Amino acid sequence: QVTLTESGPALVKPTQTLTLTCTFSGFSLSTSGMCVTWIRQAPGKALEWLARIDWDDAKYYHTSLKTRLKISRASSTNQVVLTMTDVDPVDTATYYCARNVLGAKYSLIYWGQGTLVTVSS
Amino acid sequence: QSALTQTASVSGSPGQSITISCTGTSSDVGRYDYVSWYQQHPNKAPKLMIYDVTKRPSGVSDRFSGSKSGNTASLTISGLQAEDEGDYYCASYATSTPWLFGGGTKVTVL
Repeated sequence: QVTLTESGPALVKPTQTLTLTCTFSGFSLSTSGMCVTWIRQAPGKALEWLARIDWDDAKYYHTSLKTRLKISRASSTNQVVLTMTDVDPVDTATYYCARNVLGAKYSLIYWGQGTLVTVSS
Repeated sequence: QSALTQTASVSGSPGQSITISCTGTSSDVGRYDYVSWYQQHPNKAPKLMIYDVTKRPSGVSDRFSGSKSGNTASLTISGLQAEDEGDYYCASYATSTPWLFGGGTKVTVL
């Protein structure tokens, strides 16, 4: 059974760095074809793709956010971490992590429940 | 890079068929067969309905089907049911940024 769970602070102040953790079970990120992706959704808005890390440690970032984002994994603990620097109130959103259909990089079949992050002073 | 363009809302009666469109460009939808569709109910995580334009994950009803023509991808829901009500998002690989989502379509079952 595949599960993903996001965790992180519910409230962050502007200009601070946000660190989110995706803890997963039921699969290994070392398996060829496996990917974990971060997506966010501002209140009442559409989904927005943020970053992805692949089984071979390849990393991909949203072009407009790449200077602020860093994705990494801790293979020994089945976790993927996303850090976002210099946050702003517009970064207020529910942040999701998700896994792909094995072998289909551009699909998100397993999702966490999401974690709401509010950026406010 | 702009989001993919989706009709804001679509409605239909139970049993009818509806089609949701997702318009991109020759740098995303038109170039790659990596279009996926997601259903989202209020305050829930999205659910994958279609990937790689036409593939349906195990467990997703065959009432859902995907297609693509040129720069426009489509999701068709046949035999519309009350539980199909929700928001639907398309997504595509894109040259400019690895992945783009559409703005979302609200489906209402009358």
